[in-house]
Amino acid sequence: AQSVTQLDSQVPVFEEAPVELRCNYSSSVSVYLFWYVQYPNQGLQLLLKYLSGSTLVKGINGFEAEFNKSQTSFHLRKPSVHISDTAEYFCAVSDNSGGYQKVTFGTGTKLQVIP
Amino acid sequence: GAVVSQHPSRVICKSGTSVKIECRSLDFQATTMFWYRQFPKQSLMLMATSNEGSKATYEQGVEKDKFLINHASLTLSTLTVTSAHPEDSSFYICSARPTGPNQPQHFGDGTRLSIL
Repeated sequence: AQSVTQLDSQVPVFEEAPVELRCNYSSSVSVYLFWYVQYPNQGLQLLLKYLSGSTLVKGINGFEAEFNKSQTSFHLRKPSVHISDTAEYFCAVSDNSGGYQKVTFGTGTKLQVIP
Repeated sequence: GAVVSQHPSRVICKSGTSVKIECRSLDFQATTMFWYRQFPKQSLMLMATSNEGSKATYEQGVEKDKFLINHASLTLSTLTVTSAHPEDSSFYICSARPTGPNQPQHFGDGTRLSIL
């Protein structure tokens, strides 16, 4: 079984300030990790993914995340946020054992960028 | 690339009506599609996995006869909410995973279902 914890349900941050959205996971097997963004009344858009290799992953819209196996974390960061980054962000994990790769989502973090 | 189209985006109907939601992968083939339900201020809950040419795999607690899934081709899966009631009101999101190894899921824009 696998699970994802996003401790912060809401994160307010001023425009042009840096932000970190935290994600911790648990799994008994090796995993793939994802961050998705959801704008109001829309589906999810993939921001970035970690499959293997370099632990620092760069995604779209200036976001990046770092996989830390020892801390079982995959925190999302952006050095300078924009108003348009206001959305809900979901961390997700799937095992990489093959099959259909069932994905488990965290409860989401609402990022509110303040002008 | 990897666009998933979900239709309709919003449905409002009377209790007892059956509602069909379509999920299409526009520029890739998807052997596997997924259906999620999202309650307000909550995360996505996987309802079922739709496999092309075979029966869907439902998660525990999801009624198969209530939520009918058909995956007739490599680019289309449908979810039919039969005899919908107010408690079925929710945001339903589909996703499709391109055929091949290490492929992430790509999501549709969701369908907001409101049963009066």
